[in-house]
Amino acid sequence: EDQVTQSPEALRLQEGESSSLNCSYTVSGLRGLFWYRQDPGKGPEFLFTLYSAGEEKEKERLKATLTKKESFLHITAPKPEDSATYLCAVRTTGTASKLTFGTGTRLQVTL
Amino acid sequence: DTGVSQDPRHKITKRGQNVTFRCDPISEHNRLYWYRQTLGQGPEFLTYFQNEAQLEKSRLLSDRFSAERPKGSFSTLEIQRTEQGDSAMYLCASAGSRNTIYFGEGSWLTVV
Repeated sequence: EDQVTQSPEALRLQEGESSSLNCSYTVSGLRGLFWYRQDPGKGPEFLFTLYSAGEEKEKERLKATLTKKESFLHITAPKPEDSATYLCAVRTTGTASKLTFGTGTRLQVTL
Repeated sequence: DTGVSQDPRHKITKRGQNVTFRCDPISEHNRLYWYRQTLGQGPEFLTYFQNEAQLEKSRLLSDRFSAERPKGSFSTLEIQRTEQGDSAMYLCASAGSRNTIYFGEGSWLTVV
């Protein structure tokens, strides 16, 4: 069974304090790893898709990287508006394109 | 794109009542998904449509749950004889040729 584990569960950073979120996965065959941002009471907002080990994607203060076993979401010089839950999900072979999600990392960025 | 639209955004119902949620996907997206999310958890897959065909259902989807997508456009998710354990946010998502799955804002269900 496909498994996605995110760590840490929660992370508190001061504004400007860079850090990384981890997403480790055990799947039968990876067809894509997805990062989403979710604000309280709202649906997930798409950030990135990574398809192969070594791939990197960037958007503003966020950079996502992928290896054969895990993905990292690096947050550089975060601002309070980056506070949210960050969800990782995988799409695997033979799953009719559905996504399997981790439980997320709740990020709080304070002044 | 106007985004994935869900209605209602919030629903409070008494145990045993039936509820129905509607999802309007991004136009021209042929794939539509339903997920359920509870507090502190990631979204859990419920079911998937390609056009009007329901191609996959999770074992989480009990007999009380039914989903339809007539004419391959909007979709409905009905829960019959609601139970307190059905309280959750029900998320609809859609995808087109680029394979990126876009989510709606969700429909919150509270069963009292």
